[in-house]
Amino acid sequence: DQQVKQNSPSLSVQEGRISILNCDYTNSMFDYFLWYKKYPAEGPTFLISISSIKDKNEDGRFTVFLNKSAKHLSLHIVPSQPGDSAVYFCAANFAGANNLFFGTGTRLTVIP
Amino acid sequence: NAGVTQTPKFRVLKTGQSMTLLCAQDMNHEYMYWYRQDPGMGLRLIHYSVGEGTTAKGEVPDGYNVSRLKKQNFLLGLESAAPSQTSVYFCASSLSGRALSSTDTQYFGPGTRLTVL
Repeated sequence: DQQVKQNSPSLSVQEGRISILNCDYTNSMFDYFLWYKKYPAEGPTFLISISSIKDKNEDGRFTVFLNKSAKHLSLHIVPSQPGDSAVYFCAANFAGANNLFFGTGTRLTVIP
Repeated sequence: NAGVTQTPKFRVLKTGQSMTLLCAQDMNHEYMYWYRQDPGMGLRLIHYSVGEGTTAKGEVPDGYNVSRLKKQNFLLGLESAAPSQTSVYFCASSLSGRALSSTDTQYFGPGTRLTVL
């Protein structure tokens, strides 16, 4: 049972425009959410995170929004750059958990 | 500081063969993880360890065994490989299980691409 879902396997965006990647979750116990970025032939790397006590966290061009009532979070990249082309994984965990729960990933392609 | 390293990077096995994947980290992390990544399935947790000498099952443990004899190493074993185990395997480590900050997050190795014929 996939507790973290990314329903869009791929997304293409023009350079300079906004990229919006979405993630839904089912477990109401989740209280911390993360986004990881993965380039081909490399392991995922941490990008940005948000605690459930917040509804927004910003780091440069990257902003994560959390809507707890909808059990939905999104990652906004503005402006998108070709170097942002990668697979993005959403992940979540909760107090007492010893691991992260990952989504299936969204492949972002930023077209120059 | 090499971070998380994985050996080997690539391997081709025949059905029924066995092999061990080695993961090493030099960050003194307590927690270590083995994931597999398959198309459309994301990252699925196979086994994990919360400290030296401990192991626990994850989401997809069948067909795999693990050992954590030393804090810095986490081994993943396939006793009798099957084509369904063709995948990319990632090891990760973290200070804690919560991974609550940019420094206390899961650090991943570069992956091992395994093909079972």
